[in-house]
Amino acid sequence: DGGITQSPKYLFRKEGQNVTLSCEQNLNHDAMYWYRQDPGQGLRLIYYSQIVNDFQKGDIAEGYSVSREKKESFPLTVTSAQKNPTAFYLCASSTNSWTGDQPQHFGDGTRLSIL
Amino acid sequence: KQEVTQIPAALSVPEGENLVLNCSFTDSAIYNLQWFRQDPGKGLTSLLLIQSSQREQTSGRLNASLDKSSGRSTLYIAASQPGDSATYLCAAEKGGSTLGRLYFGRGTQLTVWP
Repeated sequence: DGGITQSPKYLFRKEGQNVTLSCEQNLNHDAMYWYRQDPGQGLRLIYYSQIVNDFQKGDIAEGYSVSREKKESFPLTVTSAQKNPTAFYLCASSTNSWTGDQPQHFGDGTRLSIL
Repeated sequence: KQEVTQIPAALSVPEGENLVLNCSFTDSAIYNLQWFRQDPGKGLTSLLLIQSSQREQTSGRLNASLDKSSGRSTLYIAASQPGDSATYLCAAEKGGSTLGRLYFGRGTQLTVWP
């Protein structure tokens, strides 16, 4: 079955540590996205990539980094510079469409907590 | 910047009622309006996508409408069931250089009791 796989499901970070969240898709989608969700909040865009080897900052990119070396993979690193990383992180992908007819597909998320 | 608002924030109804969830957006230059469902601790599931040239979309007991000029979309759920209990999120997509970027509302948390 095609889909988006996020791992791990739960992750704990120590002070001063960088952690990497994995996102893999086998939908052959060009575009991939990382969102952060806090309780009672909508999703906020961290980074997105419309094509391999290219990515753009979203609204809350500070303290995060990404890479897009392969079409199917878009890992997110939460650096020690991110002072409030506790949140639910969601990865999504979609086909680039200039007609606006393609929905985004989401993974099941990674919940990151501070030790 | 696009601002998306959803009303109400929470809704609790008995089984069988017909429901209307509201979504408003500030910038009418959108490519589409998407409705998603989120179960607790899970990712989002796409329900309906209305392109900017369309007025509504239907899937089963769900119907979503779009009025770009007034910056509003509504999600209508007919004959609600306990299994419909979830958080419903709407998102507006802008095109151009920001193709694919979605701007989300905070969601409506729906509880349908038997």
